[in-house]
Amino acid sequence: AQSVTQLGSHVSVSEGALVLLRCNYSSSVPPYLFWYVQYPNQGLQLLLKYTSAATLVKGINGFEAEFKKSETSFHLTKPSAHMSDAAEYFCAVSDYKGTYKYIFGTGTRLKVLA
Amino acid sequence: DADVTQTPRNRITKTGKRIMLECSQTKGHDRMYWYRQDPGLGLQLIYYSFDVKDINKGEISDGYSVSRQAQAKFSLSLESAIPNQTALYFCATSDGSSNEQYFGPGTRLTVT
Repeated sequence: AQSVTQLGSHVSVSEGALVLLRCNYSSSVPPYLFWYVQYPNQGLQLLLKYTSAATLVKGINGFEAEFKKSETSFHLTKPSAHMSDAAEYFCAVSDYKGTYKYIFGTGTRLKVLA
Repeated sequence: DADVTQTPRNRITKTGKRIMLECSQTKGHDRMYWYRQDPGLGLQLIYYSFDVKDINKGEISDGYSVSRQAQAKFSLSLESAIPNQTALYFCATSDGSSNEQYFGPGTRLTVT
């Protein structure tokens, strides 16, 4: 069975500071991993995905994530936070064949302080 | 125009009423999904469909039913709504090859 754990339901950073949102996964098969962002009153938008190619994945809006198999982690980072990054972020895991169903983490709400 | 649309965007209904949420997509994707989002719980899969004749239960299908009327349309029904079905509902689509899912804007449902 697959599962995702996002550490920290709320994270606050100052504008210009490093953003680090944590995601750990459990999967018995090689996983696909995703980060989605949800802005207020909107649906989810794909930030980036890992599909067993490069372990360092670059996404939109300056975000990136590194797949670390030994740590079963896929943490999301951004070197310098902007006010516009304030949103809720979801990590998701999927298997690479068969149903392709997503299992989502519980989300991390990012607050950016001026 | 949005690729994945949901109607209605907001709905308030009473306990025991039947309600249908609709999802349409112009992306040409075969796969469609219904999720519900509750604060602190993330998104949970209700039903998914890989084509018009293939419908599958997700993690939390009890109390819900779906209909895939066409490749582009996937409806979610609550036969007899109850207050704990108050949530934000999302439809998503996928083409199956990239495994990326594309989400609609959501329907906020309140059951009183």
